[in-house]
Amino acid sequence: SQQGEEDPQALSIQEGENATMNCSYKTSINNLQWYRQNSGRGLVHLILIRSNEREKHSGRLRVTLDTSKKSSSLLITASRAADTASYFCATDAGTNTGNQFYFGTGTSLTVIP
Amino acid sequence: GAGVSQSPSNKVTEKGKDVELRCDPISGHTALYWYRQSLGQGLEFLIYFQGNSAPDKSGLPSDRFSAERTGGSVSTLTIQRTQQEDSAVYLCASSYRGRGTYGYTFGSGTRLTVV
Repeated sequence: SQQGEEDPQALSIQEGENATMNCSYKTSINNLQWYRQNSGRGLVHLILIRSNEREKHSGRLRVTLDTSKKSSSLLITASRAADTASYFCATDAGTNTGNQFYFGTGTSLTVIP
Repeated sequence: GAGVSQSPSNKVTEKGKDVELRCDPISGHTALYWYRQSLGQGLEFLIYFQGNSAPDKSGLPSDRFSAERTGGSVSTLTIQRTQQEDSAVYLCASSYRGRGTYGYTFGSGTRLTVV
């Protein structure tokens, strides 16, 4: 399976602290995406990092990608209560392996005010 | 529209009945995906449409599931003879181009409950 797997499954931090979530996958990829999901409904696209990139920033988000370890991390700095959500990574495995993105089961983040 | 619109937002149906879920993607997005998410689980790929190409149906769990996309825009996912295990949130996503090149925009989903 090319499914991404997030770690930890659940994370609880105080507001203002940084939150780090990790994603591991099994096969080579073209790109990897991170999504946020509130209340089990629609996902919001946060950031996309391509296989030839090592780090990407977007506001308080920092994503790293290590293709040699087949892993990615999402760092949320100076967390806020509104960051409470589930976070998923999704991997695209390449042109010969179908069209879908594979999602992991997510990390549930709780930011305590 | 400004986002991906799904309807209904919630659907309760009796076991054995057919249901139809609708997705209205962002105008101009050629790629459309259906995923489903069971409680506390990740997303399970169902089907992918890209332009006028034949859809990738490899994720449909059984022949009770079917989907179509009319005129390259609105898509409907039909579940025939619903079963309790079909209960899940069904999510639709569209993208400017396929394969997630630009990331997906998801709708808010349809929560299906089969009783």
